[in-house]
Amino acid sequence: GAVVSQHPSRVICKSGTSVKIECRSLDFQATTMFWYRQFPKQSLMLMATSNEGSKATYEQGVEKDKFLINHASLTLSTLTVTSAHPEDSSFYICSVPQSSYNEQFFGPGTRLTVL
Amino acid sequence: LAKTTQPISMDSYEGQEVNITCSHNNIATNDYITWYQQFPSQGPRFIIQGYKTKVTNEVASLFIPADRKSSTLSLPRVSLSDTAVYYCLVGELNAGNMLTFGGGTRLMVKP
Repeated sequence: GAVVSQHPSRVICKSGTSVKIECRSLDFQATTMFWYRQFPKQSLMLMATSNEGSKATYEQGVEKDKFLINHASLTLSTLTVTSAHPEDSSFYICSVPQSSYNEQFFGPGTRLTVL
Repeated sequence: LAKTTQPISMDSYEGQEVNITCSHNNIATNDYITWYQQFPSQGPRFIIQGYKTKVTNEVASLFIPADRKSSTLSLPRVSLSDTAVYYCLVGELNAGNMLTFGGGTRLMVKP
């Protein structure tokens, strides 16, 4: 299956700053990637679908101007949390779908803490 | 979208077989059933997927009755390292609807 990496693995930032999280598909070309958010003791929640060469599709309730997604190549999608606030502190996980098997390959996640 | 219902938590002991059942009463004809495992502070990991009857791989078995309104993940002879949250997803990824995670089942394996 696809190998997916994320960088950084954890980040601590001050309130009001912006943070960029990278998701890389190391051995699989991905026209689509998914971004999830997971709060402590809760399930994963889909935030948006990242589409290579076009705009991302956001789930209802997710602010597209706050969570900027760029999918400039078939191996890289980035999620930028703009003007981060403490309530944005969460575990952000990306995934790459392997369409032929209806399976997702997940990255290791990025722990964001906003002070 | 087919909604899934799982027990919130389960306890077991090392060496036992664990069966986790997922209800999905509204499963559609083209939907597959997929199970993922997630350890703390890690991304989920694919365990097994099936459409009907029984599927077995090196780590688990998946039992799906004829009406497909439920499925059971079976973990043989669990160890402490199987302590994790297990999620059941239903849908067709190509249609973009196998992306909704339910609450999951938190399995605790005790020595």
